Amino acid sequence: SQQGEEDPQALSIQEGENATMNCSYKTSINNLQWYRQNSGRGLVHLILIRSNEREKHSGRLRVTLDTSKKSSSLLITASRAADTASYFCATTQGGSEKLVFGKGTKLTVNP
Amino acid sequence: NAGVTQTPKFQVLKTGQSMTLQCAQDMNHEYMSWYRQDPGMGLRLIHYSVGAGITDQGEVPNGYNVSRSTTEDFPLRLLSAAPSQTSVYFCASSWTSQETQYFGPGTRLLVL
Repeated sequence: SQQGEEDPQALSIQEGENATMNCSYKTSINNLQWYRQNSGRGLVHLILIRSNEREKHSGRLRVTLDTSKKSSSLLITASRAADTASYFCATTQGGSEKLVFGKGTKLTVNP
Repeated sequence: NAGVTQTPKFQVLKTGQSMTLQCAQDMNHEYMSWYRQDPGMGLRLIHYSVGAGITDQGEVPNGYNVSRSTTEDFPLRLLSAAPSQTSVYFCASSWTSQETQYFGPGTRLLVL
């Protein structure tokens, strides 16, 4: 079963607006990763947040982690048309080496 | 560095045929994995390896075999292809499952 589940499944916004997508997971984790996939391409790593971190920034990206709620959020500020892509979270369960992905959020940024 | 390479890019098979999807990395990564991606399903882990000679099953291993004889290569074998295996297959590598994964460009497989 997939460990992470993203919400919403799809999101459509205008350029310049902020985009927020969420990831919920089921068991304890060591860290949580966010990836981006442009249509038909391989995934690209965006950011990794460790279980003892609560917030992390990278450029226009802000990731939060709430281990008590078993959830994470990815915020993209001042979105651009080029941010149009699918976004996935990925985690490993406890001591497992299996890195499993959620079903993703499809973001469309309209110019 | 070429990173993670996958061949072929696209393949059409008939039901019952066998084939091997190739994956290679030149970053000396220990951890390698195979995923399949189907519409609405995200990525599902097929098999993974934590080092040469060590492989283990993922979420959807049935119908697929793997081996890891070298650090660089991690081929995925379909012994008897079925239409349900029509998908896009991605290979990834990293130092461990806990670190940044580097993905190949994918192989599109169509089983008729």
